Amino acid sequence: DGGITQSPKYLFRKEGQNVTLSCEQNLNHDAMYWYRQDPGQGLRLIYYSQIVNDFQKGDIAEGYSVSREKKESFPLTVTSAQKNPTAFYLCASSISGTGELFFGEGSRLTVL
Amino acid sequence: AQRVTQPEKLLSVFKGAPVELKCNYSYSGSPELFWYVQYSRQRLQLLLRHISRESIKGFTADLNKGETSFHLKKPFAQEEDSAMYYCALRRGNQGGKLIFGQGTELSVKP
Repeated sequence: DGGITQSPKYLFRKEGQNVTLSCEQNLNHDAMYWYRQDPGQGLRLIYYSQIVNDFQKGDIAEGYSVSREKKESFPLTVTSAQKNPTAFYLCASSISGTGELFFGEGSRLTVL
Repeated sequence: AQRVTQPEKLLSVFKGAPVELKCNYSYSGSPELFWYVQYSRQRLQLLLRHISRESIKGFTADLNKGETSFHLKKPFAQEEDSAMYYCALRRGNQGGKLIFGQGTELSVKP
């Protein structure tokens, strides 16, 4: 079953803790993305990667970090520096050069 | 500034009525516009893109550069069209770096 798999679906974190969200794809796509979704604000780009071992900041990268050691995997770490981390996080992938994104089911992070 | 605006948070229509979901954008270059849809308990997925000039599930959208709009239209709404709709702008030649609007929830009542 091809697609994007995000885990965990739900995650609770205490303030001051880092947390890592997993994103795996078996679509053989070069490009991967992390978006944050907040009510009434649509989706905002956090980080993206167009190729293995390379990634760039999106519009709201502060307080987040990523890695792209394998083509299939693009984990996102929400650090304690992120001031407002409670949100719904969406991972996506695409064939390089296209605007057709394939999305995961999302991960909902709640900071207690 | 590059921006996508969907002025309606919620649009409610009756089955069989025409539907128009509004999308306006601001972008100085040559834009590429998309509509994405998220049905209940499903993933966000591409509905259509302006360069394809296609009709998907009865929906069409025309890029109007003069009015900087990309409204999504369907002549006769169906209950299964109820979903969250996002308009998105691709910035120049930047792959999947999309700017999304705030989204419009379409509710089609029987």
